[in-house]
Amino acid sequence: NAGVMQNPRHLVRRRGQEARLRCSPMKGHSHVYWYRQLPEEGLKFMVYLQKENIIDESGMPKERFSAEFPKEGPSILRIQQVVRGDSAAYFCASSPRLAVVYNEQFFGPGTRLTVL
Amino acid sequence: KNEVEQSPQNLTAQEGEFITINCSYSVGISALHWLQQHPGGGIVSLFMLSSGKKKHGRLIATINIQEKHSSLHITASHPRDSAVYICAVTSYNTDKLIFGTGTRLQVFP
Repeated sequence: NAGVMQNPRHLVRRRGQEARLRCSPMKGHSHVYWYRQLPEEGLKFMVYLQKENIIDESGMPKERFSAEFPKEGPSILRIQQVVRGDSAAYFCASSPRLAVVYNEQFFGPGTRLTVL
Repeated sequence: KNEVEQSPQNLTAQEGEFITINCSYSVGISALHWLQQHPGGGIVSLFMLSSGKKKHGRLIATINIQEKHSSLHITASHPRDSAVYICAVTSYNTDKLIFGTGTRLQVFP
C-alpha cells in the first residue's frame, strides 16, 4: 500500500506564474489536508477536503490560492500569480475518516516551491 | 501566545542520553500527535494519543489531559534520532492540526 504521494517534489516558478501541486492520498483515504511550512517557521493548516467538497478552508489565503479534490484523480493545490512569499514547503496529509472517530493523518513527502 | 507551545526549542545531547521534549496546549483537543521531520525531508507520524502513554521502541509519549501537557521521551538516544520533533493537536470538533514550532534535536556520537 503506497503512502501519500506528492508531486512534484521540487517546483521552481518565476513571479507571476502559476504553481500546481498534486497530492494522491493513501488508498482508501477520502480526506486530504494541505499544510504550509514557511522557511524557519512551523507548519500551518491551509485546507481540508473530502472528495468533491471543501470542508474547511480557514487557513487558505483569500486570494490566488485554491484547492480541489475531484471524484477522480489527485487533490490539487493551485497558486496563481506566485510571489516570493509563497516559497515554502507544502505538505499534504490524508486520513480514512472512519465513522466519528478521529483518525491519524499520514503525511506526504512535501513539495518544495521556490519562487524566483 | 501560540495554542501549542514546545520546549526546548533546541536540544543537543550525547549518544546514549535520555531525552525529554515537552508540549503544552491551551485548547480542548481530541488527539495529540508527535511528528518527526528530518532535514529536507518529509514528516513521519510517531504517535497519536488522547490519553495515557504509548511506547514504540525507544520512544515513549505521555499525555496529561487535565494539565494539557504531553512529553516525548527518547531513551538511549542515537545520532540517527537527530531531527525536528513537532507536537500537534487536533482541536475538539475540528480535523485540522495545530502545530507547535518544533524542537530541533541533535545527538552527537
